[in-house]
Amino acid sequence: NAGVTQTPKFRILKIGQSMTLQCAQDMNHNYMYWYRQDPGMGLKLIYYSVGAGITDKGEVPNGYNVSRSTTEDFPLRLELAAPSQTSVYFCASSLRRGDGQTGGYIQYFGAGTRLSVL
Amino acid sequence: KNQVEQSPQSLIILEGKNCTLQCNYTVSPFSNLRWYKQDTGRGPVSLTIMTFSENTKSNGRYTATLDADTKQSSLHITASQLSDSASYICVVSLDNAGNMLTFGGGTRLMVKP
Repeated sequence: NAGVTQTPKFRILKIGQSMTLQCAQDMNHNYMYWYRQDPGMGLKLIYYSVGAGITDKGEVPNGYNVSRSTTEDFPLRLELAAPSQTSVYFCASSLRRGDGQTGGYIQYFGAGTRLSVL
Repeated sequence: KNQVEQSPQSLIILEGKNCTLQCNYTVSPFSNLRWYKQDTGRGPVSLTIMTFSENTKSNGRYTATLDADTKQSSLHITASQLSDSASYICVVSLDNAGNMLTFGGGTRLMVKP
């Protein structure tokens, strides 16, 4: 059981280049998230998805795009990379059963992608 | 602005000792408060989730407390082990689903032999 898998683990980009960060989960979770973590700062939500075909912006969406064509995959696209996008990116997923469950939904995180834009 | 502040920023303790990490938040109202453990180079792992009506929740040697009146939470680690060395992150959720999380900056704990 792999959980949440992110690729690549490390990447260096030049300013203006583009790339896609991959995220896949094998837990049949309906909710998926992308966060960025800057040194000494709390994680910030970039985009999230509540199911295939549905995505929504988080707190810091500018410069990023996402798609959710399947339940398993939630890629994050960086267009025209900028130094401000140097960060560690985490993908997460959770399961909302829709049965009135209360108490919060545990998010399961991937190991992260460390991105440097130079 | 919703904020989550954690203290101390870093802490060093000896193996076997107890410690308490603090979290103050201004997020209000909130649905639940979470504590995560993040090992170096890894993603966060959930330790506890407490709703606003819960005062305490334990997970092994980890015990989280919540005082919704003073907007404070703490994470107590008992009989620390070397494997407890990590960052501990306090997170406040505005909604039950977890789509609106405010993360603290974390406390970096080092346990020395």
